[in-house]
Order: sequence, then C-alpha cells, then structure tokens
Amino acid sequence: DTGVSQNPRHKITKRGQNVTFRCDPISEHNRLYWYRQTLGQGPEFLTYFQNEAQLEKSRLLSDRFSAERPKGSFSTLEIQRTEQGDSAMYLCASSLGGLNNEKLFFGSGTQLSVL
Amino acid sequence: AQSVSQHNHHVILSEAASLELGCNYSYGGTVNLFWYVQYPGQHLQLLLKYFSGDPLVKGIKGFEAEFIKSKFSFNLRKPSVQWSDTAEYFCAVNTNFGNEKLTFGTGTRLTIIP
Repeated sequence: DTGVSQNPRHKITKRGQNVTFRCDPISEHNRLYWYRQTLGQGPEFLTYFQNEAQLEKSRLLSDRFSAERPKGSFSTLEIQRTEQGDSAMYLCASSLGGLNNEKLFFGSGTQLSVL
Repeated sequence: AQSVSQHNHHVILSEAASLELGCNYSYGGTVNLFWYVQYPGQHLQLLLKYFSGDPLVKGIKGFEAEFIKSKFSFNLRKPSVQWSDTAEYFCAVNTNFGNEKLTFGTGTRLTIIP
C-alpha cells in the first residue's frame, strides 16, 4: 500500500452532472499531482500543488475542471457538466521533494464513467 | 513540448527469456527519465530513474535501463524474466528546468508465459 488514498474508487454519472473526487496523499508529502489515464494510453498530467498552491496546470484542464488543496493536505478534483469524453481513470500522486529528488507515489485511482 | 514513444504495445515472452522494451523521447534539452510499472490490479510504482551520471541505471527486481543521449533512448532490460513480471510498463520523461510534469508513453503490456 503506497499510502495515497483516492475516493471513490468508481464513479458512474450521467452526462451533464458534476462529480468530485478526493485524494489523501501520504501525510508528510507537500507535493500533490493529478493525472488522467484513458484506455490504451499512459497517464496525462493535469495539475500540481506544492502545499496549498496550485503551481502548474495542463491545457487539458478545461474550465469545467477545478482542483483544490485548501490546507495543503487532501485535494479535490471537480468536473462540472461532465461529458462522455471525461470518462477515464483519474490518478493522484504525492511526493516529498519533487521529481528531481523523490519518486511519485500513486494512488489506485478513481474510475469515472460518464453515460 | 516533450513526447515519449513506446513502440512495443504488447510483448509476450516465456519465462527466463531476456527482455528489452524500447523507449524514445523527443526533447532537445536535459531530461530526467523514469520507468514505472503497473502490476495487475495495483497502482503505478517506480522501477528506476535516471537523473545524471552513469547512463546505466539499476532498479528494483533485477531491471536496468540505459540512457543513450545520442539516440534519445532509455530502453528497459532484464536478462531473465519471471512470470511475476507480467505487468504494464510505462516510460516517462521530465524536463529538467524545475517543472513537475511527467510525460508518459503509451505503455507496453508484458505477458510472461510460465
């Protein structure tokens, strides 16, 4: 067990609904990352936090997506007005010192299905 | 923008065979290189990484990878595979100017036949 916890494990929603996912990183890790993975592809970077500050955002993160890490601990990823193209595995990862110093610890992901 | 190519989509080997999985990246500057593995039903985990120094890096479970800068390659190798190596393998690159983005390849599914 890596210690990165993601909830829920699975989410099925209808197109147009809003969904929110939660990630609890390893407790002392100050860096938190969100990735998205679709079938047959590798994970794609979405966004990155150092403590509570969101420092990088991918162009993949449209205005329907918002991520927060209010107290520098857990993070939430919200998708508004979901579309079928949002169906994917959403992965969270955390690290202590960033990519140059430490490896990423990944969670098991939240599988989103938009009907 | 950087990209990563893994040309082997699915590799099937018998136990004890030697393994080499290809990884090529496109980026002209300094890079950090990684191999991640995802065993069936498990999360992604780091196999090995290259930041600088000796271009031949060793990772867990007997895996190694060689960084060849002139070929923009970071191929993964193992001299003798085991059934437990059945997994999906992802190569990833990070450009070394302080950003925290990993760019992954599409992955190679490795199936080991007992």
